[in-house]
Amino acid sequence: KAGVTQTPRYLIKTRGQQVTLSCSPISGHRSVSWYQQTPGQGLQFLFEYFSETQRNKGNFPGRFSGRQFSNSRSEMNVSTLELGDSALYLCASSLDPSGSQETQYFGPGTRLLVL
Amino acid sequence: AQSVSQHNHHVILSEAASLELGCNYSYGGTVNLFWYVQYPGQHLQLLLKYFSGDPLVKGIKGFEAEFIKSKFSFNLRKPSVQWSDTAEYFCAVRGNTGGFKTIFGAGTRLFVKA
Repeated sequence: KAGVTQTPRYLIKTRGQQVTLSCSPISGHRSVSWYQQTPGQGLQFLFEYFSETQRNKGNFPGRFSGRQFSNSRSEMNVSTLELGDSALYLCASSLDPSGSQETQYFGPGTRLLVL
Repeated sequence: AQSVSQHNHHVILSEAASLELGCNYSYGGTVNLFWYVQYPGQHLQLLLKYFSGDPLVKGIKGFEAEFIKSKFSFNLRKPSVQWSDTAEYFCAVRGNTGGFKTIFGAGTRLFVKA
């Protein structure tokens, strides 16, 4: 079974631009979560989607948004990029619809550099 | 507020030494606990998890962790580390208080000297 895939793997943008990252979960998984990983802050939760609905959201500004499609694929968008948005963005998928007792499987991440 | 604290940011050990990485959490509800590992150049993968039952859980590659509810801790252990255990280790908590989200610790970078 294929793992979680994320595209693109690397991205360079300039301040003020916007970016869209894509995540394809493991087949059959319906929950997708997004995290931002930086050396200083570690892994920080962005949001989680289940069945096309945002189920939970972390403490990030409104410039960070996401969505999930009917095939469970998810995208996240960051508008008006800032230098501090440079990070590794990780996507994780899981199977268990009950939410709490689920193992998340992570993708390789998209490394975003904002210049 | 929900939080996870990992005691050490960096740990350096020689091969065959024993390992214990500390993890404490603050969470107002039933929790599920995880340890993830990120090897250099690889993506995050699950080492072990605790949902309920025996508080001593065994994971892959000889790792184990003990859940001590009274101490809000979930420490990771390995009796004898190998050079290939060099990686970053993350403790994580997931529950249903405030919605389904996983809170990660800041991570511990382990370097094992050959």
